[in-house]
Amino acid sequence: SYELTQPPSVSVSPGQTASITCSGHKLGYKYACWYQQKPGQSPTLVIYQDTKRPSGIPERFSGSNSGTTATLTISGTQAMDEADYYCQGWDSDTVVFGGGTKLTVL
Amino acid sequence: QVQLVESGGDLVKPGGSLRLSCAASEFTFSDDYMSWIRQAPGKGLEWVAYISGGGSFKHYGDSVKGRFTISRDNAKNSLYLQMNSLRAEDTAVYFCARGGTFYFESWGQGTLVTVSS
Repeated sequence: SYELTQPPSVSVSPGQTASITCSGHKLGYKYACWYQQKPGQSPTLVIYQDTKRPSGIPERFSGSNSGTTATLTISGTQAMDEADYYCQGWDSDTVVFGGGTKLTVL
Repeated sequence: QVQLVESGGDLVKPGGSLRLSCAASEFTFSDDYMSWIRQAPGKGLEWVAYISGGGSFKHYGDSVKGRFTISRDNAKNSLYLQMNSLRAEDTAVYFCARGGTFYFESWGQGTLVTVSS
């Protein structure tokens, strides 16, 4: 079955750039998207179709996808960005989530 | 603003059944694929099932295939998940989400299902 792999944790200082990766076989040939989930809340879509931002998502969130890796980049990271982030793709009509990355802003 | 409100979560014994509901509003429900996604306590997201707008196409995750059934009533703007032969590992918060395979643009607040004797 298809798998997406994320690092369990990423740390970043306030104002710096955070990058969270998501790896999967030929992921660059598929669409990837990203969700942010804060404690006790439901997930929020922050990037879809590799690079697009839903309305209301700050411009500091951006995405890319090439080869086997999709990347979520948060520029000028703020304390409010501390959360769990999940990538998601699909393969053979099946939806697949990455294991999630805890972003710590310290 | 899109609203998705889940209900029906409860404590149920192993082997039991439960039916979850999701009430949708503020979008044309029948136009969109809808999905159920779950999250076990302290764990990541797991896709459960999706259904096409007209209800004719359904697809399930391997862990629930043959036990869970997704359905919808477009006249009532409602999505359902019938869960049978429940196991301890089905314990999770179940989210209703707007979307099918590519991405889920809106999520409900979730409803908790606990399977325990």
